[in-house]
Amino acid sequence: SAVISQKPSRDICQRGTSLTIQCQVDSQVTMMFWYRQQPGQSLTLIATANQGSEATYESGFVIDKFPISRPNLTFSTLTVSNMSPEDSSIYLCSVGTGQETQYFGPGTRLLVL
Amino acid sequence: EDKVVQSPLSLVVHEGDTVTLNCSYEVTNFRSLLWYKQEKKAPTFLFMLTSSGIEKKSGRLSSILDKKELFSILNITATQTGDSAVYLCAVDYSNYQLIWGAGTKLIIKP
Repeated sequence: SAVISQKPSRDICQRGTSLTIQCQVDSQVTMMFWYRQQPGQSLTLIATANQGSEATYESGFVIDKFPISRPNLTFSTLTVSNMSPEDSSIYLCSVGTGQETQYFGPGTRLLVL
Repeated sequence: EDKVVQSPLSLVVHEGDTVTLNCSYEVTNFRSLLWYKQEKKAPTFLFMLTSSGIEKKSGRLSSILDKKELFSILNITATQTGDSAVYLCAVDYSNYQLIWGAGTKLIIKP
């Protein structure tokens, strides 16, 4: 399985500001995904990060709020823009390995005050 | 509407007990069912099941899929406090597109 790192591990932010989360993989992967997990909830897919093109967003998520970059096959960023307390969540990146299995990064715990 | 339902939502047992976690699904275009263990933030992969009746096993954990009755179970024998976690079930319906269950929170008391 791929080794995935995320930065930052956690952060506390003020409302109205933006935070960029980085996801780095130790090998080239085709599929990268960004998830959100709100307190007490299961995982919700935000978008699929596509290398060289715009991300594919799920219903309820928009590029202006969650811009995503995927400059190459080992790296992606997710920005949470104009944050509000409702954005307090764990944000997870995951990768697809070609075996129909997703592996997850360690996650970023975000608290918005 | 596609859905994945896990039961129970929470479970408290004593160390050494055996537990069975359930995952039922109604998903069009079923491809596979996956089990994950989530202790703090990151879910860690346990099993992927695609065929009925074939048990997957890893140490004290095992899982099996019934595609006729549309469910899977995750068994943990001789539980330890380190097994305390949320166990997530997800169904892949299209090239890594997953529908997630709500999870079962398992607490193992010493």
